[in-house]
Amino acid sequence: NAGVTQTPKFRVLKTGQSMTLLCAQDMNHEYMYWYRQDPGMGLRLIHYSVGEGTTAKGEVPDGYNVSRLKKQNFLLGLESAAPSQTSVYFCASSYASDRYTDTQYFGPGTRLTVL
Amino acid sequence: GENVEQHPSTLSVQEGDSAVIKCTYSDSASNYFPWYKQELGKRPQLIIDIRSNVGEKKDQRIAVTLNKTAKHFSLHITETQPEDSAVYFCAASNPEEYGNKLVFGAGTILRVKS
Repeated sequence: NAGVTQTPKFRVLKTGQSMTLLCAQDMNHEYMYWYRQDPGMGLRLIHYSVGEGTTAKGEVPDGYNVSRLKKQNFLLGLESAAPSQTSVYFCASSYASDRYTDTQYFGPGTRLTVL
Repeated sequence: GENVEQHPSTLSVQEGDSAVIKCTYSDSASNYFPWYKQELGKRPQLIIDIRSNVGEKKDQRIAVTLNKTAKHFSLHITETQPEDSAVYFCAASNPEEYGNKLVFGAGTILRVKS
């Protein structure tokens, strides 16, 4: 049981380049989330998904797109990378409930540097 | 929307002493409050959580208290050890909101000096 995995672990981009970060989970979770972590600012939600084929904007969605074509995968795309997108990106997943919030399990993170 | 404030931003304690980290939240409908520990270069991991139907929860050396009236909750670590050194994040969630989102505090760097 691998839990939540992310690829790649590290990446360096030049301004204007594009890339896709992949998150995969094998816990059959409905909900998946993408966060970015910057020093002194905690974890901020970029986009999230409540099930296959659904996506929604979080707190800081500008400059990012997402897709959830399969229940176990959640992709985060940067179409034209900017230095302000230098950050550590974490994916998380959880069970779905309309009555209570369940535990979110995090992936190992992707460290992205945009030059 | 929900806003979570966390204090202090850094905390240094002697090994064996207690550490307390406090968080306040703004949405009175929030009812789930987890605490995550993040070691350097690692992923955040849940260490304890509390729901609004209880006021205190304890797990060995860590405990969380919740005051719904005042809208604040705290993490207490007793008999601190060097391996407790990490960044700690609090969060809050309103399950009535679409997607069961967590709103995180900015984090507290805990240093345990031996």
